[in-house]
Amino acid sequence: QSVLTQPPSVSAAPGQKVTISCSGSTSNIGNNYVSWYQQLPGTAPKLLIYENNKRPSGIPDRFSGSKSGTSATLGITGLQTGDEADYYCGTWDSSLSVWVFGGGTKLTVL
Amino acid sequence: QVQLVQSGAEVKKPGASVKVSCKVSGYTLTEISMHWVRQAPGKGLEWMGGFDPEDVKTIYAQSFQGRVTMTEDTSTDTAYMELSSLRSEDTALYYCAITSPFYRVPRWFDPWGQGTLVTVSS
Repeated sequence: QSVLTQPPSVSAAPGQKVTISCSGSTSNIGNNYVSWYQQLPGTAPKLLIYENNKRPSGIPDRFSGSKSGTSATLGITGLQTGDEADYYCGTWDSSLSVWVFGGGTKLTVL
Repeated sequence: QVQLVQSGAEVKKPGASVKVSCKVSGYTLTEISMHWVRQAPGKGLEWMGGFDPEDVKTIYAQSFQGRVTMTEDTSTDTAYMELSSLRSEDTALYYCAITSPFYRVPRWFDPWGQGTLVTVSS
């Protein structure tokens, strides 16, 4: 059981928009920055979003992040088949004194 | 641009230890904060521990306490993660990943090493 809760899977058609939720508590998302990672099949995770809503250099603006209270959301617009991957949210948990990840969400672009 | 290159795959017997290395280039170890994350086959990401720049010490996840040791060789800018008393459940990909040393707690991990597969089997 992950401390952060993500839907196991989401799907949408090419060109459409999808959102992935990440639910936590005041000890983690509520009081710390959230980051998001994309893991393409057979590769290492890659940073997509940091500090809730910032994109590293090279990440297209099709990817966006937001946070409200104890939940965070990753948005992807203009879906491409190359976006098919597992997506993870992560943050520090101040009560547990550990970094926690969500269980991951598998995105399928139909 | 910082790059992390990890050592190759390992096969170990239950009860043995494994030591995975992570060579940093583009920065020195003193300029970053190194962490380790593992991923069992078909499973999610699990943080193992990393460097706390405020207390200047390594912190470990409770589930690995007593079995894991993370060290650094600043002369070669290589970080190491040693896991002992291996069991079959430790079969996983082990990743090194870095974050900024300017914050007490990590805010993100970027970049990540390519991963090292550790297989524990009798």
